[in-house]
Formats: sequence, C-alpha cells, structure tokens
Amino acid sequence: DGGITQSPKYLFRKEGQNVTLSCEQNLNHDAMYWYRQDPGQGLRLIYYSQIVNDFQKGDIAEGYSVSREKKESFPLTVTSAQKNPTAFYLCASSIWGTGDQPQHFGDGTRLSIL
Amino acid sequence: GENVEQHPSTLSVQEGDSAVIKCTYSDSASNYFPWYKQELGKRPQLIIDIRSNVGEKKDQRIAVTLNKTAKHFSLHITETQPEDSAVYFCAASRVDSGYALNFGKGTSLLVTP
Repeated sequence: DGGITQSPKYLFRKEGQNVTLSCEQNLNHDAMYWYRQDPGQGLRLIYYSQIVNDFQKGDIAEGYSVSREKKESFPLTVTSAQKNPTAFYLCASSIWGTGDQPQHFGDGTRLSIL
Repeated sequence: GENVEQHPSTLSVQEGDSAVIKCTYSDSASNYFPWYKQELGKRPQLIIDIRSNVGEKKDQRIAVTLNKTAKHFSLHITETQPEDSAVYFCAASRVDSGYALNFGKGTSLLVTP
C-alpha cells in the first residue's frame, strides 16, 4: 500500500554488523508489525507494537530489536546476534481494536549477508 | 503461537477452472481470517477477508467460507485466469500477540492457458 514505506529495498550485512530497516506509515494506524519471510515458510512474527513507546516480542525476536518513538515509525534492527538474517522482511500496520482489521504491508526489504 | 495449516502447497489448474485452497486453525479465539496474494518479490496483497460472525463472503470471482465449529476456512477462485497465478496465504488473527496474524505456509497457484 502507498501508505507504508519500507527502505531500503535491498540491504547487505557484513559479519558482525548491525543493520536497521526502516518502516514508516501515514495511515494513522496504532498497530505495527514486523514479519520475516523465508522461502516455503510463510510469514513469521518478529515484533509488534500497539502504541507509541511500547512493543512486544513475537515468535522469532531473538537477534532483533525495535523502537516505537513515533506513531508513524517502527524501525527494525537486525543485530549481529541474528546468525541467519537472510530473508525478506515485511512491515505491516493496522487499526488497533478488536482484532478484525486488515493489515496493510509495505513493499519489503530483502536482506542478504555479504 | 497458533498453528495455521494450509493445503495444498502447490496447485495447477487450467484457465477457466476453479481453484480451492483450504486452511485450518487451532485457536478458537481467532476472529479474523484474511487471504493474501503475493507475486514474486512483492508484498502480500489482501484479496478478501472474513470475520468470525460470517460464514461466507464473495467478491466477484473470489469467495471465502468459514466453518468456526470445524476451525477451517477456504478460498474459492472461479473462472481462473493466468494473472491469478501467484502464491496465496491464509491467515488467522492472534489474540495473544496484539492481533498479529498467523500465516499458513502458502499455496503456489499456477493457471495455465
């Protein structure tokens, strides 16, 4: 959706390096999510945030960190502790409420190891 | 997290035929079931969704059915066209994770002319 912008589109990480993936939305959504997609495995939840200054671990949070200092922004840092970071990373947002609101995705960032 | 199983993993149909993809979920608290279409290298796009108080929903050639008792839901595409070729994901909402989605592993649909 045009309302969610992820950057960069492609990212390369060197050994021992931390890298940060950007996610910005102008949809005025309270909830934001980070998913990781590997071939044949669907999407898996890394972190989520329901309001500013609050976020929670998802199913595969080890080796990742996030922040939510502004409603519009939810950056994801892939740390050197994440030993297998090569994947397609997708950010999503939705209206917060009763759990039946659509999630809208950004165009994704493809991360590879150099 | 909740388990969502999706079948089949691959599906090949001829243009004009129907395609059916089935999913099951385990968490009875799930109340929202979207379907996404993803083309190679692109983001998932929501194509249809259904809420737990509805049994069936239709949008042109696409329909979704939900059986809450059996905990399964299905996507039906009629009169398939080559541009329907893509990977389709089902998902179910998770009450335990800020209403994040649990996704199935996807179905690769190929529509041959």
